[in-house]
Amino acid sequence: AQSVAQPEDQVNVAEGNPLTVKCTYSVSGNPYLFWYVQYPNRGLQFLLKYITGDNLVKGSYGFEAEFNKSQTSFHLKKPSALVSDSALYFCAVRNTNAGKSTFGDGTTLTVKP
Amino acid sequence: NAGVTQTPKFRVLKTGQSMTLLCAQDMNHEYMYWYRQDPGMGLRLIHYSVGEGTTAKGEVPDGYNVSRLKKQNFLLGLESAAPSQTSVYFCASSLDRLVIYGYTFGSGTRLTVV
Repeated sequence: AQSVAQPEDQVNVAEGNPLTVKCTYSVSGNPYLFWYVQYPNRGLQFLLKYITGDNLVKGSYGFEAEFNKSQTSFHLKKPSALVSDSALYFCAVRNTNAGKSTFGDGTTLTVKP
Repeated sequence: NAGVTQTPKFRVLKTGQSMTLLCAQDMNHEYMYWYRQDPGMGLRLIHYSVGEGTTAKGEVPDGYNVSRLKKQNFLLGLESAAPSQTSVYFCASSLDRLVIYGYTFGSGTRLTVV
């Protein structure tokens, strides 16, 4: 069965420090992987994706993510966190064969000044 | 740039009442989806549509119906609301079946059933 795990409900970092939000997945076949961000009372916004090619993908707002096939992970990273990065982050995987998307439960990122 | 627009933004229903959630997109996307978001459960797919006049069941379709009479609109109906349907509902659309470019989400409808 297809699944996504975001092992941390909450991540707290100080402004200016690097941040990592973890995501691991399980899917048959080749995955499409996505990160979305949700600000309070808003819909999810697309941040970045891995489809194929370079394992390190860059997205909006200075975020990047590294696809690691052997560890089935797709961790979200940013070198220097901003208070405005505080939000709820969702990892999602899509099975390219079955066309089914699965979202993680979300990780709340809090960046403190 | 409107993108995906959902109405209403908030609604309180009594158990047994019915309502329709409206979703409209102006991006000419073929694929549209209804998700519900519950704390600690991520997003779960209710129904989806691969084009005008078509609908299909997702993971949690029971208690909901949908219609896609026009390409730009995707309606979600609750015939007899139950407290278990208290949730935040998101409509989304995508350009392609594989969602290579990601989903575009609306801002959500917060529904409370009392």
